[in-house]
Amino acid sequence: DAKTTQPTSMDCAEGRAANLPCNHSTISGNEYVYWYRQIHSQGPQYIIHGLKNNETNEMASLIITEDRKSSTLILPHATLRDTAVYYCIVRPHANFGNEKLTFGTGTRLTIIP
Amino acid sequence: DAGVIQSPRHEVTEMGQEVTLRCKPISGHNSLFWYRQTMMRGLELLIYFNNNVPIDDSGMPEDRFSAKMPNASFSTLKIQPSEPRDSAVYFCASSLNSLAGGQYFGPGTRLTVL
Repeated sequence: DAKTTQPTSMDCAEGRAANLPCNHSTISGNEYVYWYRQIHSQGPQYIIHGLKNNETNEMASLIITEDRKSSTLILPHATLRDTAVYYCIVRPHANFGNEKLTFGTGTRLTIIP
Repeated sequence: DAGVIQSPRHEVTEMGQEVTLRCKPISGHNSLFWYRQTMMRGLELLIYFNNNVPIDDSGMPEDRFSAKMPNASFSTLKIQPSEPRDSAVYFCASSLNSLAGGQYFGPGTRLTVL
């Protein structure tokens, strides 16, 4: 699986948009970009995923560059409850037998009141 | 939807004892995953099942660890004998049909081996 690089930590003011970058320069054509987050003392939470088009759901937006070598997760109006570690993961299309997620160290996002 | 259910939430045991962790996946999901999280090693996949069949157990640390999934609604992770280095939070997750979908995690079991 392709390796991802994320900043160790970021701060964002409450109510502002939080933009979390991720580099995945070795991504291959059949690999998706996934984002998860882990709030303190809870299990990881699936946020969003995409292949090459930008994606949006009720939690966040995912912007993937045209060359797919990087992406940005956007939380449009951050709240204190968004304080968490955010993981960017690249994974091949999950055909049978290929469902592993490899979690790195992620970005610790702190929302400042 | 109750989400993924894990029990117990906390377990304290003594070295050498057998420990069994339990997981009930989300109804209808056909893939189940066991992860372990420690400060030193982060979040690691131990094993995963698809349609109750173990697919990849390469993350299982050693023979002391075993996992079973006797049916679509129940899985166990057993450690026998337990050691202090097994102390960690163990998460179970499930997913639907695996095709580019997300994995949904339970609240975890915090295991302390004294």
